[in-house]
Parts: sequence; structure tokens; C-alpha cells
Amino acid sequence: DIVLTQSPDSLALSLGERATINCKSSRSIFYDSTNKNYLAWYQQKPGQPPKLLIYWASTRESGVPDRFIGSGSGTDFSLTISSLQPEDLAVYYCQQYFSPPPITFGQGTRLEI
Amino acid sequence: EVQLVESGGGLVQPGGSLRLSCVASGFTFDDYAMHWVRQVPGKGLEWVSGVSWNGGSIGYVDSVEGRFTISRDDAKSSLYLQMNSLRTEDAALYYCAKDVGANWGFSAISQWGQGTLVTVSS
Repeated sequence: DIVLTQSPDSLALSLGERATINCKSSRSIFYDSTNKNYLAWYQQKPGQPPKLLIYWASTRESGVPDRFIGSGSGTDFSLTISSLQPEDLAVYYCQQYFSPPPITFGQGTRLEI
Repeated sequence: EVQLVESGGGLVQPGGSLRLSCVASGFTFDDYAMHWVRQVPGKGLEWVSGVSWNGGSIGYVDSVEGRFTISRDDAKSSLYLQMNSLRTEDAALYYCAKDVGANWGFSAISQWGQGTLVTVSS
């Protein structure tokens, strides 16, 4: 199974600051034939289900603010929130869909503001 | 607006069975793959099972293979998870979720329900 390891486990920053969350895969999740990285990012606010933010490592889901930026390729990926807003308080998860089953998630990164 | 409404959770003894249901609306159900994902309160996400748009492809996480069965009824826009031989470690909030595409495992998960809670305890 592909293991995703996120860092850090938690992050405490101030409004307006930049947040960077990392996700490292135990093997490459880049598929040559499609030229895509099979990685998504989700945001889960307290008491709510997860919400899709980013797919194909860097494609923003419709309606997601442009301060959320996904980057990386192969085994190393990042989610950057360029200027933190109060509503960004949440746990963030990366997920791979390259080699299922199983689909796997990172352990989550708790963002405190 | 996409809506996914789960039901069927509850308290069950170890070794028991439970059937979860999810009714979908707001999209053409039989165009999309569907998933069950679980989460122990306060912990991370674990994908449980996925089914393709036509039911032709199904996958499970190893820990539930042979005990859980995913199915769909497109006429009722419904997704199901039959859970047998339940263990204490199966206790979690179970989310029904819609894939971005028609075949699970080739794209991200786009929408999630609110979840139904399964408790396994004697």
C-alpha cells in the first residue's frame, strides 16, 4: 500500500500568514501515460465532513479560493495557503488515488489560527 | 445541489451485522463511482470501499475484505454497505461519498455526506 506522511502534524499561525503543509508518498504517484499526479487535498472543519480542495495535485476545485495552492510531483507534495483567514481553521488531509485498492490518506495536519 | 444522506448506523455487538444506506440526490447517480470512508471521531480518514458507476468494479481495504459488501441500486439512487462479523475496530463515523468520475480509484472524492455512526460494543 502507498503510505502518505504529512508534516507537520499541527501548525499554529496568525491571520495573514502563509501556511505550508507537506505530504510525502512512499512511492511515486505520477502516472506517465496521463502526465498527472494522483493526489488530492481535503479540508475538514470541526463537526463537518471533508471538503475537496485540490485534485491532480494542483487543480483547484470549483469555488475554492485561490489562496489554496497545490504543488509537487512524484513523491513530494505541498498545500500552501497564501494568506490565512479565520475560516481556514481545520484539519487538512492529502489522499492518493494512484494505486488502489486501497485509496489512502495522510494522517492529517491540524491548522490552528 | 448534491446531497448524500446516510442511515443505518447504531450500536451492535462484536460479531454482529449492520447495513448502511445512503440516498443520493442532486446529480445523475448512475454516472458516478461511489465510496464509503470511515473516521473514528477525533482521528483520521480511512477509505473502506468503492464501486464504479455500473457496479462492475469494486474494491475494499484489506481489513474489511470478506466481511463488508458494497452495492448500489441506481433505480433508487442508493448506495449500501453490508457489514458482517463486526469488530470493535470497525466502530467509526461512516461517510458516503461521491467520486469525481465514473470509476473509483482514478479520481478524487468530490462530495461527502454527514456520516452515520457505528458503535461496536458488548
